[in-house]
Amino acid sequence: GAGVSQSPSNKVTEKGKDVELRCDPISGHTALYWYRQRLGQGLEFLIYFQGNSAPDKSGLPSDRFSAERTGESVSTLTIQRTQQEDSAVYLCASSLAATVVRSSYNEQFFGPGTRLTVL
Amino acid sequence: GIQVEQSPPDLILQEGANSTLRCNFSDSVNNLQWFHQNPWGQLINLFYIPSGTKQNGRLSATTVATERYSLLYISSSQTTDSGVYFCAVDQETSGSRLTFGEGTQLTVNP
Repeated sequence: GAGVSQSPSNKVTEKGKDVELRCDPISGHTALYWYRQRLGQGLEFLIYFQGNSAPDKSGLPSDRFSAERTGESVSTLTIQRTQQEDSAVYLCASSLAATVVRSSYNEQFFGPGTRLTVL
Repeated sequence: GIQVEQSPPDLILQEGANSTLRCNFSDSVNNLQWFHQNPWGQLINLFYIPSGTKQNGRLSATTVATERYSLLYISSSQTTDSGVYFCAVDQETSGSRLTFGEGTQLTVNP
């Protein structure tokens, strides 16, 4: 597709339920990232994929959060047993590459986000 | 981890005015990007600029990597420029994650 797409655009769930958020990166982009943005704040990094492997999971806030990527394309972020503090906008980004020094291959492009509300 | 500080936190302008937004960072970076987050929450790429100067229409940016800062210039501002401007950096030693500043909230009044 022309840009990064995410679904659903909005998700309202009850505390304790599991949710799955989907990201489709730009075609041909090998690197994929998940970030979270709480209301009125900047973005915080969650996890990064190079191909289908995740060399950096250090931003995941707890073991309730997991992510996978298949076919070097679509990624799913899963939050188990959701809590009210998980309410935020979850944004996905992709780039052509990730580790080329000071190259525009590293430039990240963001999707529109999924707004998650946990009641 | 790397610290990113943006200033000013809020800026109110009259249409047609010029402005300068600043981003300071605490360590060497591999990647620096400026984004505009519009009122609908979409992050729009403005510049990929780990060093040097770039211009795109009414916007330009300069990064002085050795002094660890970047500047975003907006000239002849328009109401559509309103929104939050974020600077984000990728620390050389920590791979590809972007660390974001808290942003500058820009309001351009007609």
